[in-house]
Amino acid sequence: NAGVTQTPKFRVLKTGQSMTLLCAQDMNHEYMYWYRQDPGMGLRLIHYSVGEGTTAKGEVPDGYNVSRLKKQNFLLGLESAAPSQTSVYFCASSNAVLANWVHEQYFGPGTRLTVT
Amino acid sequence: DAKTTQPNSMESNEEEPVHLPCNHSTISGTDYIHWYRQLPSQGPEYVIHGLTSNVNNRMASLAIAEDRKSSTLILHRATLRDAAVYYCILGIQGAQKLVFGQGTRLTINP
Repeated sequence: NAGVTQTPKFRVLKTGQSMTLLCAQDMNHEYMYWYRQDPGMGLRLIHYSVGEGTTAKGEVPDGYNVSRLKKQNFLLGLESAAPSQTSVYFCASSNAVLANWVHEQYFGPGTRLTVT
Repeated sequence: DAKTTQPNSMESNEEEPVHLPCNHSTISGTDYIHWYRQLPSQGPEYVIHGLTSNVNNRMASLAIAEDRKSSTLILHRATLRDAAVYYCILGIQGAQKLVFGQGTRLTINP
């Protein structure tokens, strides 16, 4: 099992450009999450999904869109990148709903994004 | 959201036990206590969880106070590889997400 994978690992964007981050999991998990982590800070939830075709907003959703067309994939889009979106982005998955709300989340390695 | 309080940083020596405290005075009866850690330049990894009883696994032990208002993550014999940020997080019954706080940055001295 590869677990949770993220592509790309690094990316530099100019202000106003767009891009999509891909997260894939092979554990058949229902729940998937996108977090961002700024230097020296904890993780903040951007968007999440509780199943194929569903998405919901987290703490900091502005400037991002997401899609979950397939159960194993969760895409995070930046339509018009801004320097404030420079961060490390982590994807995670879990099966909390099947585990009596025990949130054992599995994280990907992260994508380091710089917006200039 | 029910919150947790952790010290910003702690320091310990290699091969000694480490006790990482967490206060969660507003915990509800059905909230699970989760611990995650984040090694440098990596994503967080699950460590352990508990509800009422103390728990042990290959990574650590979790001691939960009788009133459940606090808990302690115990690393029995710290190694340099245990240097990380440790997050104590409450899992709310029925909630679809976790809320990560700032965590405790653990430094291990050789």
